[in-house]
Amino acid sequence: AQSVTQLDSQVPVFEEAPVELRCNYSSSVSVYLFWYVQYPNQGLQLLLKYLSGSTLVKGINGFEAEFNKSQTSFHLRKPSVHISDTAEYFCAVSEKEDTGGFKTIFGAGTRLFVKA
Amino acid sequence: DAGVIQSPRHEVTEMGQEVTLRCKPISGHDYLFWYRQTMMRGLELLIYFNNNVPIDDSGMPEDRFSAKMPNASFSTLKIQPSEPRDSAVYFCASSLGTDNQPQHFGDGTRLSIL
Repeated sequence: AQSVTQLDSQVPVFEEAPVELRCNYSSSVSVYLFWYVQYPNQGLQLLLKYLSGSTLVKGINGFEAEFNKSQTSFHLRKPSVHISDTAEYFCAVSEKEDTGGFKTIFGAGTRLFVKA
Repeated sequence: DAGVIQSPRHEVTEMGQEVTLRCKPISGHDYLFWYRQTMMRGLELLIYFNNNVPIDDSGMPEDRFSAKMPNASFSTLKIQPSEPRDSAVYFCASSLGTDNQPQHFGDGTRLSIL
């Protein structure tokens, strides 16, 4: 069974500083990986996704993530954060099940606080 | 292109009452998901549909919860009777086909049961 672990529940950081939000997963088969962002009073929005190919994936708002198969990680990074990046970030893993359907598992979320 | 549309955005009702949450997925999407989000439990998958057919309802907490998808453009999540512990934000999401497609979320319904 797959699982997704977001190692930090909250990450405070000063404006213009770099940030890394960590995500590890466990799965016995090939997976697809996603990062979503949730702003207050809104639903989740896709930031970026890894399907195949280059392990460094660039997303919206200056975020990027690197897929590391050997460490089963998909950490999210941004070199310089803005106040507007304050939100909750979810890592998600999707894999095909034996039944032919697919299942997506979301991590517990990491709340990013950007301070002035 | 309109996104996933949920209604109502907010619902406040007394325990014991029936609550119906509504969702219109993105046109052409063949998967529809219902989630519940709380501070304590985070984001929980309740049920999902493929081509209007329920595929996995193992996340539905109790028989008080039911979901239907009568056609490709509409789904409901019903709670009857409602209880204070059902208070949460309920999200609907839709996606197109396969496992490598992201889910598109609505803005949620904030439900408060008094």
